[in-house]
Amino acid sequence: EAGVVQSPRYKIIEKKQPVAFWCNPISGHNTLYWYRQNLGQGPELLIRYENEEAVDDSQLPKDRFSAERLKGVDSTLKIQPAELGDSAVYLCATGTSGVGGQFFGPGTRLTVL
Amino acid sequence: GDSVTQMEGPVTLSEEAFLTINCTYTATGYPSLFWYVQYPGEGLQLLLKATKADDKGSNKGFEATYRKETTSFHLEKGSVQVSDSAVYFCALSERYNAGNMLTFGGGTRLMVKP
Repeated sequence: EAGVVQSPRYKIIEKKQPVAFWCNPISGHNTLYWYRQNLGQGPELLIRYENEEAVDDSQLPKDRFSAERLKGVDSTLKIQPAELGDSAVYLCATGTSGVGGQFFGPGTRLTVL
Repeated sequence: GDSVTQMEGPVTLSEEAFLTINCTYTATGYPSLFWYVQYPGEGLQLLLKATKADDKGSNKGFEATYRKETTSFHLEKGSVQVSDSAVYFCALSERYNAGNMLTFGGGTRLMVKP
């Protein structure tokens, strides 16, 4: 079974530029999460989707971050414009409605110069 | 709100040593508890979980017991290997949260020397 796929794996951009990350979930996983992991810290939730609906986006900085999950499958997370403090690893995770835990992708490491 | 506290690393051990990584939590409800492992350059992988008090999660020689009375979920392994070198994250998920949102600790880096 294929795992969660994310791309790109690494991205280096200059501040004020836009950037987008893509996530393809495990087949059949209706719940999708985007996390941000700063260096030396645990992941922090940005947004959670149930199918195509964003049901928890309270931690998403909406002035510059946006996300979508068209058709309830793939998802994209966008930052426009990026700031120096956005440098982090952005993780996508997917799961089902049970308590089996979440399955994480390898993440996208973003460096903003 | 919910929180997870882990012992700070790095934890440096010799191969075949005994490992304990402490984890305590605060939660408003009755959470499920997890340990995730992150190998260098990779995403987080679920290592083990426990969903109710006194449950013991185990995988790959690692164990953790859900202790409700002490709000703890310490990770243990009897004999570590160099390949266990990674960052370990303790996490909880509240049962009332239908989305099973995870709250993570800060992570503990384990370094095992030959």
